[in-house]
Amino acid sequence: KAGVTQTPRYLIKTRGQQVTLSCSPISGHRSVSWYQQTPGQGLQFLFEYFSETQRNKGNFPGRFSGRQFSNSRSEMNVSTLELGDSALYLCASSYSLAGGPRTDTQYFGPGTRLTVL
Amino acid sequence: SQQGEEDPQALSIQEGENATMNCSYKTSINNLQWYRQNSGRGLVHLILIRSNEREKHSGRLRVTLDTSKKSSSLLITASRAADTASYFCATLRNAGGGNKLTFGTGTQLKVEL
Repeated sequence: KAGVTQTPRYLIKTRGQQVTLSCSPISGHRSVSWYQQTPGQGLQFLFEYFSETQRNKGNFPGRFSGRQFSNSRSEMNVSTLELGDSALYLCASSYSLAGGPRTDTQYFGPGTRLTVL
Repeated sequence: SQQGEEDPQALSIQEGENATMNCSYKTSINNLQWYRQNSGRGLVHLILIRSNEREKHSGRLRVTLDTSKKSSSLLITASRAADTASYFCATLRNAGGGNKLTFGTGTQLKVEL
């Protein structure tokens, strides 16, 4: 099976702009999660989508949003970019069931490195 | 915010030696996972240990979990230069569904020839 793919791999934007990142999960995986990685804050959970619905959300401002399509592909949008949004954005997919405690492994993509100037 | 702390923050060893990394966390968990990351790339899943397990092996990896102390350790035996990477523990809480992983701060491992 092909792994998790993320596009684009690198992105440079200026403050105030908005950006959309894309993630294609492993075939058959219905859960897609997004994480932000920065040197200062480390790896932080943004949100998770399952069957086109947001199932979990981290502590990020409303400028960060996402969605999932019927084919499980997911997009993440950041509006009104700030310098502090510069980070590696990682997407992860897992098989996941509809509910209950999770034990499934999450498979990560290579990430999108966003630089905000 | 990070739930856990990893110790040490950085570790430098010679090829062939064993490397031990420790992870502490704060809340009850469903499982704990270890990941490896090479030079700011994506994370690679190494091993998962459930809250009712105490030890697990996978190849040269051995993971232990002590839920009473809220801690875990990752042992890499007979290390190789290719093991040079950052290692993160991540916990999954009993949050009633969902895949929110909370990551530790990571240990940077350098294996020298």
